Amino acid sequence: GAVVSQHPSRVICKSGTSVKIECRSLDFQATTMFWYRQFPKQSLMLMATSNEGSKATYEQGVEKDKFLINHASLTLSTLTVTSAHPEDSSFYICSASPLQGLPLHFGNGTRLTVT
Amino acid sequence: GQQLNQSPQSMFIQEGEDVSMNCTSSSIFNTWLWYKQDPGEGPVLLIALYKAGELTSNGRLTAQFGITRKDSFLNISASIPSDVGIYFCAGDAGGTSYGKLTFGQGTILTVHP
Repeated sequence: GAVVSQHPSRVICKSGTSVKIECRSLDFQATTMFWYRQFPKQSLMLMATSNEGSKATYEQGVEKDKFLINHASLTLSTLTVTSAHPEDSSFYICSASPLQGLPLHFGNGTRLTVT
Repeated sequence: GQQLNQSPQSMFIQEGEDVSMNCTSSSIFNTWLWYKQDPGEGPVLLIALYKAGELTSNGRLTAQFGITRKDSFLNISASIPSDVGIYFCAGDAGGTSYGKLTFGQGTILTVHP
């Protein structure tokens, strides 16, 4: 089946620093990947759509200058949380599809803790 | 924006019992998906539904895409302890919104041996 891998699985950083999260499609190519965020005991919320070779599109309320997305190849998208603050602490999950359609397969997520 | 109402929020059942959960939407979706999430992990796809009225099974799981395209249910038969987790419904409106899933609030399932 389609495998989406994220790295790291957990990261702790200090307030004000930046953190990069990688999302890879291991056995397929993905021109589009999606980044979701999940706060404790809440559902997943779409943050942005990562497009290979072009700019990411962000959902309303998500700061594009704070959450930098780079989709440099057909198998890799990165999310960089810049100048992280404690309120950015969350579970970040990426998703992609081998068919460029549905269903979406999700990575194992990255738990970000900002101290 | 679109919202999904998922119910129940939580269920406590005995092993062997059947489980039913559902989602309703204020607007139509082209695709309904059901995922299971274990603590600290990403959601795992259980069932995908692509057509109104579609009824699909995956082992002990059965899900249906409502005829109005505004609802879906998931049934789990003969529950076992490893069914424990959080179940999410998700809808996709299609078109330019492809892949931009709207998730329900989740149903926390606890199965007592």
